[in-house]
Amino acid sequence: NAGVTQTPKFQVLKTGQSMTLQCAQDMNHNSMYWYRQDPGMGLRLIYYSASEGTTDKGEVPNGYNVSRLNKREFSLRLESAAPSQTSVYFCASSVRRGLEGQNQPQHFGDGTRLSIL
Amino acid sequence: AQSVTQPDIHITVSEGASLELRCNYSYGATPYLFWYVQSPGQGLQLLLKYFSGDTLVQGIKGFEAEFKRSQSSFNLRKPSVHWSDAAEYFCAVGTGGYQKVTFGTGTKLQVIP
Repeated sequence: NAGVTQTPKFQVLKTGQSMTLQCAQDMNHNSMYWYRQDPGMGLRLIYYSASEGTTDKGEVPNGYNVSRLNKREFSLRLESAAPSQTSVYFCASSVRRGLEGQNQPQHFGDGTRLSIL
Repeated sequence: AQSVTQPDIHITVSEGASLELRCNYSYGATPYLFWYVQSPGQGLQLLLKYFSGDTLVQGIKGFEAEFKRSQSSFNLRKPSVHWSDAAEYFCAVGTGGYQKVTFGTGTKLQVIP
């Protein structure tokens, strides 16, 4: 039972290069999320997908795009990487929010460590 | 907008000692509260959650947390810490909906023999 799988685990890019971070979950979750984690700043939401076919901006979406390819997969794309995007990126998934609208616990992948030179 | 404060960036405790990690939130209504743990090189794992009801909630690995509305707090506790508990701990608050979960900046726990 893999849970949430992120690829690659590590990546080094040059400024201006593009790349796509992949995420797949096998828990049949409806909602998926992309976060970045920077020292002293906790996790900040980049984009989320409440359900297949929908995506929405989070707290820090600039410089990123996402695709919800199907229910399992949610990718994050950096079109023109900048040094400020050096970070650890986490994908997470959860079941749909509760009947009373409560947030559901999120299941996280192990992260992609991205360095941009 | 809601916010979460974890006032302790780093805490060191001796193995076998008790532990309390502080978390304060700011939100006008009843929040949905979570504690997650992150081991080095890994993602976050849910320790426990509070939605409603009993204000003392039990989680995995022997952790518990108490919701105190009057103090806007949700502190994490463990009676006796093990060396394997060394990790970073994140408090999070949700206000309902898909995106409205805010994470604290984390508390790094060091356990000494």
